[in-house]
Amino acid sequence: GEDVEQSLFLSVREGDSSVINCTYTDSSSTYLYWYKQEPGAGLQLLTYIFSNMDMKQDQRLTVLLNKKDKHLSLRIADTQTGDSAIYFCAETVRGNDYKLSFGAGTTVTVRA
Amino acid sequence: DVKVTQSSRYLVKRTGEKVFLECVQDMDHENMFWYRQDPGLGLRLIYFSYDVKMKEKGDIPEGYSVSREKKERFSLILESASTNQTSMYLCASSLPTGQGAGGYTFGSGTRLTVV
Repeated sequence: GEDVEQSLFLSVREGDSSVINCTYTDSSSTYLYWYKQEPGAGLQLLTYIFSNMDMKQDQRLTVLLNKKDKHLSLRIADTQTGDSAIYFCAETVRGNDYKLSFGAGTTVTVRA
Repeated sequence: DVKVTQSSRYLVKRTGEKVFLECVQDMDHENMFWYRQDPGLGLRLIYFSYDVKMKEKGDIPEGYSVSREKKERFSLILESASTNQTSMYLCASSLPTGQGAGGYTFGSGTRLTVV
């Protein structure tokens, strides 16, 4: 079955880069996603990557995918206070791609 | 702006009450989902629906039921609320299988407290 794991907390200084890591176990993943949840809000899709890609860049966000190690990361360049949030990694798998499996979420705290 | 709307942001209910959580989407999405979110556990799928009147159990359906009488509306029902159902409930919708990688669109959540 699907299993997605993330570290629970990350503290980063304003202006530095943040790197949030995620591992997954299902080798038939099709898409992998990063969602952001700000306090008191629902989840917002940040970016996603198809499983046959190894990198995707979108402004300050860079997603890296290592399929061999089943490792996904999200790098946020020039981290701002507005980046403080919970970040969720999620995957869909072949044959079941309407269903997302989520990690527990990484709480990112940006300090001045 | 496309939306998933959950009718209540905060609810306080008593143990044993029947509780209805409502969710409406305006994107004509076929799939709708109910998750609960608890600290350290992430999002766990309760039920989902891939069409009107169709429903399937997720990972933690016990103590819950759902209703989808119209495409745009998906209701979560707690038949007899218990304190261990105190949680944040998130509704989401999506396109059907194979129609791209749009992921889910989420509502803002309902924080339910059962006392």
